[in-house]
Amino acid sequence: KQEVTQIPAALSVPEGENLVLNCSFTDSAIYNLQWFRQDPGKGLTSLLLIQSSQREQTSGRLNASLDKSSGRSTLYIAASQPGDSATYLCAVFYGGSQGNLIFGKGTKLSVKP
Amino acid sequence: GAVVSQHPSWVICKSGTSVKIECRSLDFQATTMFWYRQFPKQSLMLMATSNEGSKATYEQGVEKDKFLINHASLTLSTLTVTSAHPEDSSFYICSATLIGGPYGIGETQYFGPGTRLLVL
Repeated sequence: KQEVTQIPAALSVPEGENLVLNCSFTDSAIYNLQWFRQDPGKGLTSLLLIQSSQREQTSGRLNASLDKSSGRSTLYIAASQPGDSATYLCAVFYGGSQGNLIFGKGTKLSVKP
Repeated sequence: GAVVSQHPSWVICKSGTSVKIECRSLDFQATTMFWYRQFPKQSLMLMATSNEGSKATYEQGVEKDKFLINHASLTLSTLTVTSAHPEDSSFYICSATLIGGPYGIGETQYFGPGTRLLVL
């Protein structure tokens, strides 16, 4: 069964800290992996998408890495800010005719001023 | 660009009533839209894939007669929860894939803001 696990489930840090969110997936034959941000009442925002052939992607203070062979991805957030507080979701796509993303349960991040 | 809207954003209804949720791609055409459901503290789970002009494809365990999906145009898909019961209370999110996107279907999904359904 294809599953995605995110650790930790929740994280609270003071402003300015660098932090790492973890995502693991059981089936390494992925097509790509995405990190999303979920804000209450605002749905999902795609942050970074990593193709299976890539090892990392960067956008501003965010850096996502992918180790396909070990079934892991990390999202690194540098110099965290209160505005980063949200739930971060990892989702894996295995391709095929259906666009079926397999989501983790998310990591709820709280950045305190 | 690539904005997806949902309406309503939240709804409270009595058990036994039907609820319709709309998903619209505002500034692009989407041949395929997806409907997800998220129960509290659980993962988003794909319910069905909605293709414009054809019948929706439902995931295992999702009752097609209970969750009616209509994708009548390239910018609108609707999900109707028929005879809703309290166990249907959940957060429903749709997404749409961009025609002619850089990576093809399934690689760039744009999500709506979600609809929170509470069935009393």
